[in-house]
Amino acid sequence: EPEVTQTPSHQVTQMGQEVILRCVPISNHLYFYWYRQILGQKVEFLVSFYNNEISEKSEIFDDQFSVERPDGSNFTLKIRSTKLEDSAMYFCASSARTVTEAFFGQGTRLTVV
Amino acid sequence: AQKVTQAQTEISVVEKEDVTLDCVYETRDTTYYLFWYKQPPSGELVFLIRRNSFDEQNEISGRYSWNFQKSTSSFNFTITASQVVDSAVYFCALSEAPFLGAQKLVFGQGTRLTINP
Repeated sequence: EPEVTQTPSHQVTQMGQEVILRCVPISNHLYFYWYRQILGQKVEFLVSFYNNEISEKSEIFDDQFSVERPDGSNFTLKIRSTKLEDSAMYFCASSARTVTEAFFGQGTRLTVV
Repeated sequence: AQKVTQAQTEISVVEKEDVTLDCVYETRDTTYYLFWYKQPPSGELVFLIRRNSFDEQNEISGRYSWNFQKSTSSFNFTITASQVVDSAVYFCALSEAPFLGAQKLVFGQGTRLTINP
């Protein structure tokens, strides 16, 4: 069964460092997303991406964040200068069409120290 | 603005009991989509069901059933004859139909369900 794959599963980084979280969406999906979940809290939308551009982004997704689809298979989230409050589980998701269900990856746990 | 409320923070039942997880939503759109996701202790988010606003028919899938009532803006989830493997955090989510581009899921706070043997 096709699935969304995220790497790494856990990343520890020092405050101020840049991190890149990687995702391989399901191959025939056209819509891509990043969500995050601070420990013990609800899942929050960060950004959606379609046709090689951002469709929508939340208030959380400020200038420190960027997304890219560098080739036909990968979808990345970059945090330019990490802060302690960026510590969270980051989920990548993809969907075949705009209103079909989104399938989530297993998440990358980012710890900023 | 969209909002999803899961008032039950934690539920604990004994195995084989039936349990219902409540979900109440708010939206101004007439076309929207409702979802349930399961987050087991391993942390991933597992899709369970999607329902659109025009389809109020209840759905049953094995021990799982969903009750969608537009009149009360609720989309409740019932597990019949619960099992220990059902222990997880369950999230209800809402997406309005986007005019352009991709959907945005708004999640509730989640309900932590513990099934005790």
